[in-house]
Amino acid sequence: QVQLQQWGAGLLKPSETLSLTCAVSGGSFKIYYWSWIRQTPGKGLEWIGEVNQSAGSKYNPSLKSRLTISADPSKNQFSLRLTSVTAADAGLYYCARAGGMDVWGQGTTVTVSS
Amino acid sequence: EIVLTQSPGTLSLSPGQTVTLSCRASQPVGSSYLAWYQIKPGQVPRLLFYGASRGANVPDRFTGSGSGTDFTLTIDRLEPEDSAKYYCEQFGISPYTFGQGTRLDIK
Repeated sequence: QVQLQQWGAGLLKPSETLSLTCAVSGGSFKIYYWSWIRQTPGKGLEWIGEVNQSAGSKYNPSLKSRLTISADPSKNQFSLRLTSVTAADAGLYYCARAGGMDVWGQGTTVTVSS
Repeated sequence: EIVLTQSPGTLSLSPGQTVTLSCRASQPVGSSYLAWYQIKPGQVPRLLFYGASRGANVPDRFTGSGSGTDFTLTIDRLEPEDSAKYYCEQFGISPYTFGQGTRLDIK
């Protein structure tokens, strides 16, 4: 049974970089796409982007200029890096298996405050 | 990007009733690429239905249907545990998008 475990710093100052990592266990990493999603008070649920080991990454245009999503197949992990965060980036961040997201990480609450 | 509009915004119903939630897309979405999720406070989102498939361990009281721009999630024989917020998502055309959600209260 596939499980996702995510981690990363949840308290940031404005202009800092958000870094989150999600580890995949119990199933294949390379054949699937892996997503990041966030839930914010302002926009509800928002798709951030996804990555596949072979196909590369796909980003939400609204975040693309600040966003990097990468995969590390040697560790069965994928990561999110969002630069120059503001209060608008605060919320609950999830990793999930893409395409009818049936497996989710536990979520990370991100707070942006000076 | 494709805008998904869900209706109604909020519902309050009684156990045993049947409800149909609506999700309307601003442009056609392949039915295989439309999903429904249930989110309860403090819990991880749960996949209910996508395409023609029910999510793992989802009761058959939950049924998704639709095509083109109009999709529905029907929940039969409502139970108090169905109180939650329900979201549709399209993952056929990037950027993938979610509806704003329907809050369902069962009392």
